[in-house]
Amino acid sequence: EPEVTQTPSHQVTQMGQEVILRCVPISNHLYFYWYRQILGQKVEFLVSFYNNEISEKSEIFDDQFSVERPDGSNFTLKIRSTKLEDSAMYFCASTPGFQPQHFGDGTRLSIL
Amino acid sequence: AQKITQTQPGMFVQEKEAVTLDCTYDTSDPSYGLFWYKQPSSGEMIFLIYQGSYDQQNATEGRYSLNFQKARKSANLVISASQLGDSAMYFCAMREDSRSTGANSKLTFGKGITLSVRP
Repeated sequence: EPEVTQTPSHQVTQMGQEVILRCVPISNHLYFYWYRQILGQKVEFLVSFYNNEISEKSEIFDDQFSVERPDGSNFTLKIRSTKLEDSAMYFCASTPGFQPQHFGDGTRLSIL
Repeated sequence: AQKITQTQPGMFVQEKEAVTLDCTYDTSDPSYGLFWYKQPSSGEMIFLIYQGSYDQQNATEGRYSLNFQKARKSANLVISASQLGDSAMYFCAMREDSRSTGANSKLTFGKGITLSVRP
């Protein structure tokens, strides 16, 4: 069964550094999302993406965040200047349309 | 107001027994979808079951069924014949479909319920 693939599984970064989280959505899916989950808390929406542009973003998704689909398969989340509070599990998800979103296994981001 | 409420702090069930995990939701959107996801200790999010607001029948997927009570705005997950591998965190989520983004609408999650299955 096709899967959403995320790399790396764990990223350790110094505060203030830039980090790029990578995702390969399921190939025939059209809608892409990033969510995050701070340890022990609920999953929070960051941003949705369709047709090469952001559809919706949350208050969390401020100017330090950006998303890109650089080619036909990858979907990336960039955090420009990381803060301690950015430490979380980041999930990528995709869907072909009005169907359940399928999640990747997540990238655990640790900011030191 | 919370859009998704999961108030059970933790649930225990004996192996092979059935268990119900509660979820209530709040929306004024006439078209919405309700989802349950499982998150094992390894961290991944696994889709379990979906119920659309206009679906006449309760959704079922193998051992999972969704007890959808629209008037009460509840969407409880029922797991039958619990297995040790069912021990995990379970999240209820909602997608509101009438907004302009439609199919692209985000999921709003509850806080989750921890389920522990006892042998």
